[in-house]
Amino acid sequence: AQSVTQPDIHITVSEGASLELRCNYSYGATPYLFWYVQSPGQGLQLLLKYFSGDTLVQGIKGFEAEFKRSQSSFNLRKPSVHWSDAAEYFCAVGAYNTDKLIFGTGTRLQVFP
Amino acid sequence: DARVTQTPRHKVTEMGQEVTMRCQPILGHNTVFWYRQTMMQGLELLAYFRNRAPLDDSGMPKDRFSAEMPDATLATLKIQPSEPRDSAVYFCASGQKREAYNEQFFGPGTRLTVL
Repeated sequence: AQSVTQPDIHITVSEGASLELRCNYSYGATPYLFWYVQSPGQGLQLLLKYFSGDTLVQGIKGFEAEFKRSQSSFNLRKPSVHWSDAAEYFCAVGAYNTDKLIFGTGTRLQVFP
Repeated sequence: DARVTQTPRHKVTEMGQEVTMRCQPILGHNTVFWYRQTMMQGLELLAYFRNRAPLDDSGMPKDRFSAEMPDATLATLKIQPSEPRDSAVYFCASGQKREAYNEQFFGPGTRLTVL
């Protein structure tokens, strides 16, 4: 069965520090992978997606993620975090010719000045 | 800037009352999803439509929930009668199926509180 695991429920970083949010998936076929961000009181906004090709994908707001098939991972990174990045981050997996996305439970990011 | 819109943004009601939530998908999108988000369960898919036809509503409690798309610009989610356990944020998302994937764009949500 498909599943997505975000091992970290809550992460705290200082502004300007680097960030890595972990995402592991379980899926039999080649996955389509997504990262969404949810600011308080808002809907989910797509940060980036991976379908095929270059395993390092660039997204909005300075985020990037790397697909590692051998580790079944799709970790999200940012070299220098801004206070406005404080939000909840969701990893999601889909598949070829399917409509549904399976979402992880989310990681809440807190940024200290 | 095309966006998914949802109304109302907040709704407080009493147990037993009917609740209707509305969603306007992005113009041209042919797929609409309804999700529910709670602290305990996270993000759950309730139902989704393509070209206004329901494709999957297996995540939705059938006895009290119903979802429809009266036209291509409006999707509704109705709860009758509502119960306190229905308190949650309900999100609508839309997408335009292209090639082999279906990217989803989320609305701002309706925060429902049932007393």
